[in-house]
Amino acid sequence: VQLVESGGGLVQPGRSLRLSCAASGFTFDEYAMHWVRQVPGKGLEWVSHISWNSANIDYADSVKGRFTISRDNAKNSLFLQMNSLRAEDTALYYCAKELSGYDSLGGLDYWGQGTLVTVFS
Amino acid sequence: QSALTQPPSASGSPGQSVTISCTGTSSDVGAFNFVSWYQQHPGKAPKLIIFDVTKRPSGVPDRFSGSKSGNTASLTVSGLRAEDESDYYCSAYAGGNNFYVFGSGTKVTVL
Repeated sequence: VQLVESGGGLVQPGRSLRLSCAASGFTFDEYAMHWVRQVPGKGLEWVSHISWNSANIDYADSVKGRFTISRDNAKNSLFLQMNSLRAEDTALYYCAKELSGYDSLGGLDYWGQGTLVTVFS
Repeated sequence: QSALTQPPSASGSPGQSVTISCTGTSSDVGAFNFVSWYQQHPGKAPKLIIFDVTKRPSGVPDRFSGSKSGNTASLTVSGLRAEDESDYYCSAYAGGNNFYVFGSGTKVTVL
């Protein structure tokens, strides 16, 4: 299993970024996926979840209305569209795979190495 | 959704055991048996070491064990080894829109 994030970078407040996560080594369209972020030196914060078939989507209150999660099962890819970025969105963004398939829960068993988003004025 | 409460640090000598608590509420830790624990070494991605409160993924040593009582979950690392020195995070399913909530993290030091 491999998860490779991309799309991070330096951006001014109020601007947008789109993160991508390329998945391989498992049947992507059978698993829910998540974005989790971490301010360097700080703790983990769950950001968003998308079910295997995109039918169920959830967001942390801190990003609701500004971030949009999506997936392309044909291309084994996960995305996070981040609009109206704020300084407090500065973090390392990880994509992570749900442990069990379809609508099962359990935890996040594979993580990428993360892509750094820095929002500065 | 507030983070789950963990002690900031814990320590033990090699061979000893250390237990980390993770306190939530009746809406997350206490509501579901979907508590997981992650180990994170500096500069690395988190690694799942416990899921469904007590289960270990393949390859995780049985020195790691989990439990739950009410709104508090616990991770015990037995037979501490130098490589166990790391940050540990708990997580729980919270239902609704706040899918997973993470703990504040505990730094374990092997003396």
